[in-house]
Amino acid sequence: LAKTTQPISMDSYEGQEVNITCSHNNIATNDYITWYQQFPSQGPRFIIQGYKTKVTNEVASLFIPADRKSSTLSLPRVSLSDTAVYYCLVGDRADYKLSFGAGTTVTVRA
Amino acid sequence: DAGVTQSPTHLIKTRGQHVTLRCSPISGHKSVSWYQQVLGQGPQFIFQYYEKEERGRGNFPDRFSARQFPNYSSELNVNALLLGDSALYLCASSFVGGRVLTGELFFGEGSRLTVL
Repeated sequence: LAKTTQPISMDSYEGQEVNITCSHNNIATNDYITWYQQFPSQGPRFIIQGYKTKVTNEVASLFIPADRKSSTLSLPRVSLSDTAVYYCLVGDRADYKLSFGAGTTVTVRA
Repeated sequence: DAGVTQSPTHLIKTRGQHVTLRCSPISGHKSVSWYQQVLGQGPQFIFQYYEKEERGRGNFPDRFSARQFPNYSSELNVNALLLGDSALYLCASSFVGGRVLTGELFFGEGSRLTVL
């Protein structure tokens, strides 16, 4: 399986920008890198997806360098409701297996 | 439109028993994947099915099996349950499949299995 590495936790305050980096190797060359948000007792929810360079939607931005060995999720101006676990998801180059990172617990304080 | 639905939501089994978990994808989605999430850890990939064919399998023993039906719903079966199989089992569906591994996955709320 492709190996992914994320920070275990990050703390922030309301209104700040939070950046979470996921390192990944052996990912499928034709596949997207996707980030998910998960609240307790719920299934993960899609945030954003990209292939390379920068992607932005209404809730986040995703930065992917040319070598695609990492990706950075950027959450602008976080609020208390953004407290959750964030996962990166990649596909394996060799055998088409999906690999979630271990997750980054983001805690937003007032 | 209904999202991904999973059943049962909670169940308790004893060691050695068998369990079947069910998943109905979003209408129009042809790809279904299964994940095991142990408390405090990220989801671990078990299987992916696309158009009723297995597209990928994670590092799980043969006690785990799955299938996808003509209506694209899916079942996950686990035989000879162990205490370590206690987890939240998540199902996800997606519109894309084939050689595209991810695309946007839509997850159900999961089936929480407790093995005593």
